Amino acid sequence: EAQVTQNPRYLITVTGKKLTVTCSQNMNHEYMSWYRQDPGLGLRQIYYSMNVEVTDKGDVPEGYKVSRKEKRNFPLILESPSPNQTSLYFCASSFGAGAYEQYFGPGTRLTVT
Amino acid sequence: AQKVTQAQTEISVVEKEDVTLDCVYETRDTTYYLFWYKQPPSGELVFLIRRNSFDEQNEISGRYSWNFQKSTSSFNFTITASQVVDSAVYFCALSEGVGNQFYFGTGTSLTVIP
Repeated sequence: EAQVTQNPRYLITVTGKKLTVTCSQNMNHEYMSWYRQDPGLGLRQIYYSMNVEVTDKGDVPEGYKVSRKEKRNFPLILESPSPNQTSLYFCASSFGAGAYEQYFGPGTRLTVT
Repeated sequence: AQKVTQAQTEISVVEKEDVTLDCVYETRDTTYYLFWYKQPPSGELVFLIRRNSFDEQNEISGRYSWNFQKSTSSFNFTITASQVVDSAVYFCALSEGVGNQFYFGTGTSLTVIP
């Protein structure tokens, strides 16, 4: 089944404790992206990747890191999480950028205390 | 400035009523793409439609229809004869021909009352 998977689905952590949210897709998509969803703000793009070893900042990259060492994986790293990073995070992938619809993962609910 | 504006934060309609969700976008590119996604209460994001800037034809898919008007920079979404299963948050999104980012609106929460 074609899908985007994210882990963990729920995470409660404390300020400053490094964490990684994994994202994997099995559709051989070139484009992958991370979003955060906050009430009243919609979805905002954090980082995106056009292909392996190619990543770029979205609208809200501060406090996040990403890497794309393999085509299928695009982990999101929070090196020192803060409470303002409490949010619902979505990973997405698509055949390419721009013109193509994105397939979204199920979301990761992160709470930073 | 917001590239995608969904001015309607919440809408409630009674079942079988028609409802239109508004989306206004802003771009200087001549090539761009517009999307609608649905987020039901279960939380997943579901793709509904994509439109490119060169295709202004309206589209109908069952009870759903989309009206794309470049003159007003709008890409509105109409649900005819709404059903309870249409209750969801709907997002409009834009990607530009130059650059590889996606811009989402703040979403419209639709509640269909039985």
